[in-house]
Amino acid sequence: GIQVEQSPPDLILQEGANSTLRCNFSDSVNNLQWFHQNPWGQLINLFYIPSGTKQNGRLSATTVATERYSLLYISSSQTTDSGVYFCAVRPSGGSNYKLTFGKGTLLTVNP
Amino acid sequence: GAVVSQHPSRVICKSGTSVKIECRSLDFQATTMFWYRQFPKQSLMLMATSNEGSKATYEQGVEKDKFLINHASLTLSTLTVTSAHPEDSSFYICSATLAGSYEQYFGPGTRLTVT
Repeated sequence: GIQVEQSPPDLILQEGANSTLRCNFSDSVNNLQWFHQNPWGQLINLFYIPSGTKQNGRLSATTVATERYSLLYISSSQTTDSGVYFCAVRPSGGSNYKLTFGKGTLLTVNP
Repeated sequence: GAVVSQHPSRVICKSGTSVKIECRSLDFQATTMFWYRQFPKQSLMLMATSNEGSKATYEQGVEKDKFLINHASLTLSTLTVTSAHPEDSSFYICSATLAGSYEQYFGPGTRLTVT
């Protein structure tokens, strides 16, 4: 099956810093989503981005489908940005809609 | 829009009993729902895919007789953990897709503790 690798596994920042999270995948995809899992376990949809670039406030994401990677940018980080960020993908050509998740990046933003 | 709820948010049950978890799409019709399991400090692992009106498709290694899934309507899927054991303690999360879309929306999760 498709492989999804996220880096770095852990990231510690001071409030106000910027960061880039990476997601590499091993096959072509027609769905790529970024999520933030908050301390209560809720997965928050950040971006649905199988290709191209999107921005939402301090967050933006870029997926280069031909090179099989996606980047999540967090600018001016806040303590509330802390949590685990997951990338999940669905390979193209599949007969179902299921997602494969990476292992996540644990982000800690210190005040 | 695209809100998914789960009930209960947490449940404690005794070993050997069964527990049912509900997943509802509140403002859309979900042709497909998914059930995931997450152990502490780990990623989400897909357990099964649930399509309205048909039998669920289970991932390899997931016991279908232990984890019963019913998708009786376009807004409700249920997961029943039968004869629960302490090793079934976990965080269970459901998700749903809108018809014609690949994007998944996730519920808030249910924390199951089996004593």
